[in-house]
Amino acid sequence: RKEVEQDPGPFNVPEGATVAFNCTYSNSASQSFFWYRQDCRKEPKLLMSVYSSGNEDGRFTAQLNRASQYISLLIRDSKLSDSATYLCVVTSNFNKFYFGSGTKLNVKP
Amino acid sequence: GAVVSQHPSRVICKSGTSVKIECRSLDFQATTMFWYRQFPKQSLMLMATSNEGSKATYEQGVEKDKFLINHASLTLSTLTVTSAHPEDSSFYICSARGFRQGTNTGELFFGEGSRLTVL
Repeated sequence: RKEVEQDPGPFNVPEGATVAFNCTYSNSASQSFFWYRQDCRKEPKLLMSVYSSGNEDGRFTAQLNRASQYISLLIRDSKLSDSATYLCVVTSNFNKFYFGSGTKLNVKP
Repeated sequence: GAVVSQHPSRVICKSGTSVKIECRSLDFQATTMFWYRQFPKQSLMLMATSNEGSKATYEQGVEKDKFLINHASLTLSTLTVTSAHPEDSSFYICSARGFRQGTNTGELFFGEGSRLTVL
């Protein structure tokens, strides 16, 4: 079983839509969780960390469910510029980071 | 905030030659850096963990004699692809753990990546 699993998508949504991605992780000792965004042929960049209590940054909301071992990312009012691949990253001790395969989002006019 | 710089961003070489890629942490010290490769439309694959002053830890299936990693200082790690072949053509990315300015939460900062094409 993979350490981190994501639905590869693609998710094709119209502008203004709300879209959500989930990511499951297998190691119950995982401590820190992140969502990264990767544009085509570019390096990943941090979108947001995921805190136990859940956190929001503008149109983006991240949630952690430790009991079911998944994290989620919700994007409201999608913009064309949100089109990218969203990577789920999990670590237990910051010595090793596990990446999901990424979920591709296409926001269409 | 933390910045990681990677060089070169793009390299084309002939089969059989060796290529060195540098990864620098610009405003922080990184005792550990990570090297990944990514094929088109695929996810990042961790190749090795580079530890300052000691040998790198390679992931299963990654040939350590082919992908030489040197982490001689707290701000520089290098990946050398030796005797490159066309199948080594890929996007190579390094990362290091750093702290965003004003926070105490570590995160991974990535270099800009190096696109290697072996003819």
